[in-house]
Amino acid sequence: QKEVEQDPGPLSVPEGAIVSLNCTYSNSAFQYFMWYRQYSRKGPELLMYTYSSGNKEDGRFTAQVDKSSKYISLFIRDSQPSDSATYLCAMSLDNYGQNFVFGPGTRLSVLP
Amino acid sequence: DSGVTQTPKHLITATGQRVTLRCSPRSGDLSVYWYQQSLDQGLQFLIQYYNGEERAKGNILERFSAQQFPDLHSELNLSSLELGDSALYFCASSATGVLNTGELFFGEGSRLTVL
Repeated sequence: QKEVEQDPGPLSVPEGAIVSLNCTYSNSAFQYFMWYRQYSRKGPELLMYTYSSGNKEDGRFTAQVDKSSKYISLFIRDSQPSDSATYLCAMSLDNYGQNFVFGPGTRLSVLP
Repeated sequence: DSGVTQTPKHLITATGQRVTLRCSPRSGDLSVYWYQQSLDQGLQFLIQYYNGEERAKGNILERFSAQQFPDLHSELNLSSLELGDSALYFCASSATGVLNTGELFFGEGSRLTVL
């Protein structure tokens, strides 16, 4: 079993849809949870960052962490074609980059 | 623009050859990380340097090596290349100390193709 699992997709949705992206993990010691967005031919960029459990909202994006289920989600409301990208979840015991464990990414296409 | 610069953007070479990838971190960042991204393995941490010193090692092959220079730029050297080394190689940097928010700032990557 991989330490972090993520459905690779691709996931295609119409513009305006609500998108749900998910990751599961096996290490219950993870405390920091992140979502990175990676556009084609670009490097990943941080989208959301949460510590421990709970929800965090930023505009159209909501990140949820359920540590009891070892499950994290990213919701995108009113999805736009500009949201088309690969979304990588990442998690860590601490906030030091060398300890980040990335999921393989889910490729999302939002169709106009 | 993340502020992290990587060169070259694309590189095509043959098996058995050696290549060097270069990274300049964001201004003021002392930590540099190297990652390999392939279709089947996702983003894999290779190695981290902090202010010129090796700080952490991940899944880096013995054929690969890296260094960070006094001006904080870093180079990743890949030798005796194999077909399986074809991948995207990313450099990232992060702030340190009280400025460290945990965010990694990635460059645009170097795409290596080994034929």
